[in-house]
Amino acid sequence: EVQLLESGGGLVQPGGSLRLSCAASGFTFSSYAMSWVRQAPGKGLEWVSIITGNGRTYYADSVKGRLTISRDNSKNILNLQMNSLRAEDTAIYYCAKDGYYHPFDYWGQGTLVTVSP
Amino acid sequence: SYVLTQPPSVSVAPGQTASITCGGNNIGSESVHWYQQKPGQAPVLVVYDESDRPSGIPERFSGSSSGNTATLTISRVEAGHEADYYCQVWDNSGDHVVFGGGTKLTVL
Repeated sequence: EVQLLESGGGLVQPGGSLRLSCAASGFTFSSYAMSWVRQAPGKGLEWVSIITGNGRTYYADSVKGRLTISRDNSKNILNLQMNSLRAEDTAIYYCAKDGYYHPFDYWGQGTLVTVSP
Repeated sequence: SYVLTQPPSVSVAPGQTASITCGGNNIGSESVHWYQQKPGQAPVLVVYDESDRPSGIPERFSGSSSGNTATLTISRVEAGHEADYYCQVWDNSGDHVVFGGGTKLTVL
């Protein structure tokens, strides 16, 4: 059974940093792209970033230069380093399997990030 | 950048058929995926590659795509289908994932 478990969310001040993680199990992690998708309160889904199995990365323009995606294939962990956070980064952040020319077939339950003074 | 346009809301009576559209430039040549999201829950894939269903998704969910419009169709709608529905593609030119703005399905 595929499982994706996010952690690391919380309250952070504007300009601060936060690191999200997603522990994956139930599939060959290194063989698949992994993504972060966020959802601001009451809003739609917004794609944030994707990393392929061999480490190629892509970012939404709204986060480029501030958020960094990475993965540890030895530990089946996906990360999102979030720097220079802004109020508009407040959202539930979902970890999702694949998305690189393929659908997102599995999603985690999400972790809430709140950027506020 | 590639834009996907969905109607904000669609309403349908129980037992009827709901059609949710997703507009995009030449979307008929793209692989379109559809997600259902109920309040407080993560999205769930219901249709992928325009018309295929993941295992466990009932046949009442179907998809089609042609020209500049993709459509998710839910037949014999029931109260449990009330949710937000999102279309999604991979934008080859921009190397981005693109989501539509979402459509709230209301069962009257």
